[in-house]
Amino acid sequence: AQSVTQLDSQVPVFEEAPVELRCNYSSSVSVYLFWYVQYPNQGLQLLLKYLSGSTLVKGINGFEAEFNKSQTSFHLRKPSVHISDTAEYFCAASSQGAQKLVFGQGTRLTINP
Amino acid sequence: SAVISQKPSRDICQRGTSLTIQCQVDSQVTMMFWYRQQPGQSLTLIATANQGSEATYESGFVIDKFPISRPNLTFSTLTVSNMSPEDSSIYLCSVQSPSYEQYFGPGTRLTVT
Repeated sequence: AQSVTQLDSQVPVFEEAPVELRCNYSSSVSVYLFWYVQYPNQGLQLLLKYLSGSTLVKGINGFEAEFNKSQTSFHLRKPSVHISDTAEYFCAASSQGAQKLVFGQGTRLTINP
Repeated sequence: SAVISQKPSRDICQRGTSLTIQCQVDSQVTMMFWYRQQPGQSLTLIATANQGSEATYESGFVIDKFPISRPNLTFSTLTVSNMSPEDSSIYLCSVQSPSYEQYFGPGTRLTVT
């Protein structure tokens, strides 16, 4: 069964610093990968997705992620964060052909001024 | 992208009662999904609701506790039955687009006292 591991439960960074949120998935079969963001007291918003093709995926709000099949990772990056990026970030995966998503435990990103 | 609404947005319920949560989508979709997000935790899939057939439940979730209806291609309900404080969570519905993106409703925040 598919599983997703987010290696950091909390990541504090200073404003305008770069950030990387780590995500590893378990499946050895073809997989679709996603990053979602949840702002305080709000629903989930899709940041970006990887289905196939280029391993570097660009999303909204300046975020990007790199799919690494050999390391079964899909880390999320942003070169310069803003206070408004403070949120919970979830990595999720689904096996190709399946629709249900398996979520990681989430990473709370806190931006300090 | 799909626009999803949920009712109620939040509720406080007494132990032993039941609450029905409604999910409305602005377009016709084959499958709808119901997730639970317990306080401070990630999302867990409860069940997949396919129009015209019984919902498919994930391990640990049963129909008697979480009955689901799917009367048409734009609407679904999830009932949380015989509630206990452990059922206090955010309940979210979602749908998947043809490009494999899942869109989530704003969630229903349930508190059981």
